[in-house]
Amino acid sequence: AQTVTQSQPEMSVQEAETVTLSCTYDTSESDYYLFWYKQPPSRQMILVIRQEAYKQQNATENRFSVNFQKAAKSFSLKISDSQLGDAAMYFCAYRSQNNAGNMLTFGGGTRLMVKP
Amino acid sequence: KAGVTQTPRYLIKTRGQQVTLSCSPISGHRSVSWYQQTPGQGLQFLFEYFSETQRNKGNFPGRFSGRQFSNSRSEMNVSTLELGDSALYLCASGLAGNTDTQYFGPGTRLTVL
Repeated sequence: AQTVTQSQPEMSVQEAETVTLSCTYDTSESDYYLFWYKQPPSRQMILVIRQEAYKQQNATENRFSVNFQKAAKSFSLKISDSQLGDAAMYFCAYRSQNNAGNMLTFGGGTRLMVKP
Repeated sequence: KAGVTQTPRYLIKTRGQQVTLSCSPISGHRSVSWYQQTPGQGLQFLFEYFSETQRNKGNFPGRFSGRQFSNSRSEMNVSTLELGDSALYLCASGLAGNTDTQYFGPGTRLTVL
């Protein structure tokens, strides 16, 4: 079974600064997808970024980018120019490509605080 | 396009009762997954339905069940509620295959007294 670990329960960043959230995972599969989801106080889970394991290029979405290290099984999220609206819980998630389903395995989450 | 909707948003029940939660996926999405979120256990996968069939199932007791209708709307049912069932229940929808991104609804907050 796959496991996802987020070792930082809480992180803090100054507005306009850059912060990196860590995620490691354990799998014996070679094909899979990785995601970062954001959960603000409203509790609505919002997709931040997605990475296909077969792609060597790191995914980027505006101020959000990832550092995907497949051999190290590491998938960190970098948020540049942090904004107050970035304050939320961030979850790293894994999905296998080997079965037909959409089951996500989540990490424990990192609470990001943004200081004005 | 309207997002994933879940009803009700909040629910209070007592131990021993049963509850039914509903999820309407994004139009055109045929996969619906359910997750339980608690402070202690985090986010855990309950089950996934696709074309009215359960495609995946997490490690939950048989008190947790679900179904999907022909219009892709899904319901989950919890019978004989326990205090530990208090949680945020999230529903996510996706198109069909495992290359798709899932989109989450706002959740149903269930409190068991």
